[in-house]
Amino acid sequence: GAVVSQHPSRVICKSGTSVKIECRSLDFQATTMFWYRQFPKQSLMLMATSNEGSKATYEQGVEKDKFLINHASLTLSTLTVTSAHPEDSSFYICSARPGPYNSPLHFGNGTRLTVT
Amino acid sequence: SQQGEEDPQALSIQEGENATMNCSYKTSINNLQWYRQNSGRGLVHLILIRSNEREKHSGRLRVTLDTSKKSSSLLITASRAADTASYFCATKFPYNQGGKLIFGQGTELSVKP
Repeated sequence: GAVVSQHPSRVICKSGTSVKIECRSLDFQATTMFWYRQFPKQSLMLMATSNEGSKATYEQGVEKDKFLINHASLTLSTLTVTSAHPEDSSFYICSARPGPYNSPLHFGNGTRLTVT
Repeated sequence: SQQGEEDPQALSIQEGENATMNCSYKTSINNLQWYRQNSGRGLVHLILIRSNEREKHSGRLRVTLDTSKKSSSLLITASRAADTASYFCATKFPYNQGGKLIFGQGTELSVKP
């Protein structure tokens, strides 16, 4: 149980286009989801906390107009990379917490974004 | 900013040997968690240790936490080739400090058959 599904697993897009990444909690409700970004052989950087029914909370240095987050239901959060540029190429991973506040996160399998 | 630092950055051992990874952090925490990541995949939770615990076991995993030194270690005993992956510690900030889960730099473990 407690599966987090992320789609697509990889996407290639041209500079200037926008890309939407979906994160779904398949068998539990998630009022909060977390979006991370990971560069090759590096750690995960928290980008933002997605809150169902309200605005996302962005980490310092993350452009909210660049990385649009929508959490319209208890099982779906989306991250849209707007006007993508090559430097946005990265591995994006979402996560959610099926248990109580201090319990572990469950992660999606990530989305490899390549902007050409 | 990153909370945790891990060492070593990379570790290569033979099957059957033990692997020890260390994690240090900077501020007070609610708990510390260890995750595993296979190349190009999401993370899988391994074990969680609360701030008032000093040691925890789960199968071949043993985690220690020293809050006075702000450090933790993960020991994998009798390693197997399938243990090859990156391992990350993650610290859970208290609720009044945002409650975020912040990851360390990771240790890339290679277990040779």
